[in-house]
Amino acid sequence: AQSVTQLGSHVSVSEGALVLLRCNYSSSVPPYLFWYVQYPNQGLQLLLKYTSAATLVKGINGFEAEFKKSETSFHLTKPSAHMSDAAEYFCAVSDPLGGGADGLTFGKGTHLIIQP
Amino acid sequence: EAGVAQSPRYKIIEKRQSVAFWCNPISGHATLYWYQQILGQGPKLLIQFQNNGVVDDSQLPKDRFSAERLKGVDSTLKIQPAKLEDSAVYLCASSPMGGGSGYTFGSGTRLTVV
Repeated sequence: AQSVTQLGSHVSVSEGALVLLRCNYSSSVPPYLFWYVQYPNQGLQLLLKYTSAATLVKGINGFEAEFKKSETSFHLTKPSAHMSDAAEYFCAVSDPLGGGADGLTFGKGTHLIIQP
Repeated sequence: EAGVAQSPRYKIIEKRQSVAFWCNPISGHATLYWYQQILGQGPKLLIQFQNNGVVDDSQLPKDRFSAERLKGVDSTLKIQPAKLEDSAVYLCASSPMGGGSGYTFGSGTRLTVV
């Protein structure tokens, strides 16, 4: 069974500061990994995904994440936070070898707060 | 490209009533998923369809929840009878070929059971 742990239910950073959202996963096989952002009363928007290609993945809105197999981590970063980045962020994992059953397993989410 | 369409956007029902949600995936996407997102939590997979067949329904509470995907396109998710703990956002997602090709989510249906 797969699982995802997001450290910190709330993260607060100042505008212009580094954003770091932590995600660790548990999987018996190298998984596919995803970061999604959710704004209030909206669906989930894909930020970036790792599907066994380059370990450093660049996404939209200046976000990137690095897959570290030895640490079973997939932390999300952005060099300089903007007010518009305030939202809920979800890390998710799917099993590429699940025999077709590849639904996402999500973490509990991290609420990102941007201080002016 | 049109996104994943869901309706209704909001629904309020009394406990023990029934309710149905509808999802229209992106054209050509073979795989369709339903998720339940309880307030303050990450989404939880309820069921996955590949065309009109069920691939994974291991987390679907089958005593009250049912889903179908006729003709491999639109899908409906039904709850009968609803309980207070079913209050959540129900998200539909679709994918052309599964995980590696990415998933696109709809805006969801917010269900309140009173």
